[in-house]
Amino acid sequence: GENVEQHPSTLSVQEGDSAVIKCTYSDSASNYFPWYKQELGKRPQLIIDIRSNVGEKKDQRIAVTLNKTAKHFSLHITETQPEDSAVYFCAAFTGGGNKLTFGTGTQLKVEL
Amino acid sequence: DSGVTQTPKHLITATGQRVTLRCSPRSGDLSVYWYQQSLDQGLQFLIQYYNGEERAKGNILERFSAQQFPDLHSELNLSSLELGDSALYFCASSVARTTGNYYGYTFGSGTRLTVV
Repeated sequence: GENVEQHPSTLSVQEGDSAVIKCTYSDSASNYFPWYKQELGKRPQLIIDIRSNVGEKKDQRIAVTLNKTAKHFSLHITETQPEDSAVYFCAAFTGGGNKLTFGTGTQLKVEL
Repeated sequence: DSGVTQTPKHLITATGQRVTLRCSPRSGDLSVYWYQQSLDQGLQFLIQYYNGEERAKGNILERFSAQQFPDLHSELNLSSLELGDSALYFCASSVARTTGNYYGYTFGSGTRLTVV
């Protein structure tokens, strides 16, 4: 089945800096890659997603890139703010398995 | 409000007991997924139902079982509870049609289970 690896597990940045979280997936049939943000004790919420026919997608300060050949996808957050502090999960969707496989999460801390 | 309703929000019970967690999916969604999240851990996939039928199974213990009813709500039953079962249990729903096209997961707010 699909396996998603996520790095780093923790990331600390200064306010205003950029943050990058990287994921790799194993199943070449995966065709959809969402990113979720989870604040402490709350539900994961979708923040951005990308489909396999697109290489890059941007939404204000957040962008995601996908390299299908290398089976890599990354989340980029620019001009980080304290409210960006949370756990971020990447995920990959395989139609055959019909479910999302999540990465292990990255604890992002934005320091003042 | 995400549209996915989970009850109860909190549950405290003793070891050896049995509990039932309930999930009502977002209107129009046919698939329900259950995830377990232990303290400082990731999201572990337990099981998926699509329109009343089991579709996929993850690392779900034999002490755990689930079902999806004709009105599409789902219940996760946890029995012979152990201290290690303490976790946040999330339900998510999506349309997940048989074409394999992805229509998005929406998560409920979770049930926090504490086993003492």
